[in-house]
Amino acid sequence: AQSVTQPDIHITVSEGASLELRCNYSYGATPYLFWYVQSPGQGLQLLLKYFSGDTLVQGIKGFEAEFKRSQSSFNLRKPSVHWSDAAEYFCAVGAGGGADGLTFGKGTHLIIQP
Amino acid sequence: GAVVSQHPSWVICKSGTSVKIECRSLDFQATTMFWYRQFPKQSLMLMATSNEGSKATYEQGVEKDKFLINHASLTLSTLTVTSAHPEDSSFYICSGQKNNEQFFGPGTRLTVL
Repeated sequence: AQSVTQPDIHITVSEGASLELRCNYSYGATPYLFWYVQSPGQGLQLLLKYFSGDTLVQGIKGFEAEFKRSQSSFNLRKPSVHWSDAAEYFCAVGAGGGADGLTFGKGTHLIIQP
Repeated sequence: GAVVSQHPSWVICKSGTSVKIECRSLDFQATTMFWYRQFPKQSLMLMATSNEGSKATYEQGVEKDKFLINHASLTLSTLTVTSAHPEDSSFYICSGQKNNEQFFGPGTRLTVL
């Protein structure tokens, strides 16, 4: 069975500082990996996804993530966070890209300090 | 992008009643829609996969007779929570599949008294 672990429940970062959110997955085959952001009252928004190819993936809002098969990781990074980045972030894995239901991590709550 | 709506955004009902939640893809046709459940401070858990014109596929541990799913058209899937109880209180989120990507609705908060 596939699973996703986000080890950090909460992360606090100062505005303008860099950010890295951790994600580890367990999956038997080549995984389809996603990062979503959830803001209060809004639906989940896709930040980026990895299906194949270049292991460094660029997403929206200045986010990027790197797929490391040897570490079963897909960490999300941003060089300089903005107050508007405060939200809940979910890492997810799927068997067939978006064609199958996704398995989500428990999420990381990002707090931005002024 | 693609837009998915849910109605209602929140609902409060009495124990023992049934509640229907609608999920609509507004600007695309979704052959497949998914229903998730999210408990407070928890992850999203896949409940079922809804395919237009056929029976839904439920995940292990999800009662199909309690959570009735109907996907009657390419833009509408409904989730009916039958004989709701307080333990069914949760945040229900749907998504529609388009081009190998899932687009999520804003969710429906169900509170059962």
